[in-house]
Amino acid sequence: QVQIQESGPGLVRPSETLSLTCSFSGSSITTRSLYWGWIRQAPGKGLEWIGSLYYNVSNYYNPSLSSRLTLALDMSKNQLSLRLRSVTAADSAVYYCAAYHWSFDHWGQGVLVAVSA
Amino acid sequence: DVLMTQSPSSMSASVGDTVNITCRASQNINIFLSWYQQRPGRVPRALIYAASNLKAGVSSRFSGTGSGTDFTLTITNLQPEDFATFYCLQGHSPPWTFGQGTKVEMK
Repeated sequence: QVQIQESGPGLVRPSETLSLTCSFSGSSITTRSLYWGWIRQAPGKGLEWIGSLYYNVSNYYNPSLSSRLTLALDMSKNQLSLRLRSVTAADSAVYYCAAYHWSFDHWGQGVLVAVSA
Repeated sequence: DVLMTQSPSSMSASVGDTVNITCRASQNINIFLSWYQQRPGRVPRALIYAASNLKAGVSSRFSGTGSGTDFTLTITNLQPEDFATFYCLQGHSPPWTFGQGTKVEMK
């Protein structure tokens, strides 16, 4: 069973960089059948796909975020990272990390990030 | 980009009802469609993958049909724990896209 845990600051100032880490257990990040991804949900809104990685071979980003976004896999630590630059209040959301194999089967509990001065 | 149009955006139903939620893709996505349930304050969970396959541990009251551009999630014999918001997701081609969500409320 894959266990996923997101971590990162709950508060980020406007124009700064949001950095989140996702740690996995129960599966190797190098498992070739899985994509690893981030999804976010602004308060009271729907789910928004941020991006997905496949074994450091393919990176897929939401075009609305791609100019500010970097996703990376650290295979030595079995971790996925997210960096979102120049954040605004519109980036305030719960950020979820999840593993995908035909569906997002395994989710972390999410981390609530507020962008505020 | 593939646009996913989900309908209805909300609905009222009673325990025991059958509910249908549809997602229409703006282009052919084959069967790369999954469905999710999100209860208030909870993490989403996958119900259906590859358009019509039930995830392990999910009640057989949930079923999915469709391929290409038109997909349906059906919930039969609606139970109190089913009142939630449901989303579809296309994973056929990036950017992957969620539908806008359907909130199923108790009548």
